[in-house]
Amino acid sequence: AQSVSQHNHHVILSEAASLELGCNYSYGGTVNLFWYVQYPGQHLQLLLKYFSGDPLVKGIKGFEAEFIKSKFSFNLRKPSVQWSDTAEYFCAVQIQGPGGSYIPTFGRGTSLIVHP
Amino acid sequence: GAVVSQHPSRVICKSGTSVKIECRSLDFQATTMFWYRQFPKQSLMLMATSNEGSKATYEQGVEKDKFLINHASLTLSTLTVTSAHPEDSSFYICSARDPYSERGGLRTDTQYFGPGTRLTVL
Repeated sequence: AQSVSQHNHHVILSEAASLELGCNYSYGGTVNLFWYVQYPGQHLQLLLKYFSGDPLVKGIKGFEAEFIKSKFSFNLRKPSVQWSDTAEYFCAVQIQGPGGSYIPTFGRGTSLIVHP
Repeated sequence: GAVVSQHPSRVICKSGTSVKIECRSLDFQATTMFWYRQFPKQSLMLMATSNEGSKATYEQGVEKDKFLINHASLTLSTLTVTSAHPEDSSFYICSARDPYSERGGLRTDTQYFGPGTRLTVL
């Protein structure tokens, strides 16, 4: 079965620092890749997604992610974080399961705290 | 973007009672909805996949008689926690799959999440 690994469980940064959150998955076939964000007290929101094409994906709020197929990775980046980026970040992978349904698998999540 | 609602947002119940949580896709038809459970400081755990007009598919370890799922229409799926106990206290989140990928073969499969339901069983 596929799995998703987020290496950083807790990240603490100061404002204006650069951010990179790691995400690796284990599956040899075609995947769709996502990053979700959950701000304190709110529900999950989609940051960005990759299906095909340019492996560098731009998302909302200045986030981007790069799909490196050879490394089975989809790391999330932001050049300069803000205090308002404090949240939980989840990487998710979808593969085509039996019958053609897309079964999502989530990583454990990374808690990001940005100090003003 | 597409909107998914959940009702109620919070529920407190006594041990042994049943609780129903509704998940609605407001501006699109969702043939597939997913139910997740989130424990504090942990990732989402997929409980079941709900397909309109058919039985839900439960993940390993999830009791189907405990967590009843009904996907009666293309915009509504319900999760009923039967005979709830304190260990069932959790944050339950649904998501609805955008069916656009099922039209024209375009692979634009995206999930839209509901705001979640906080269940507390006393």
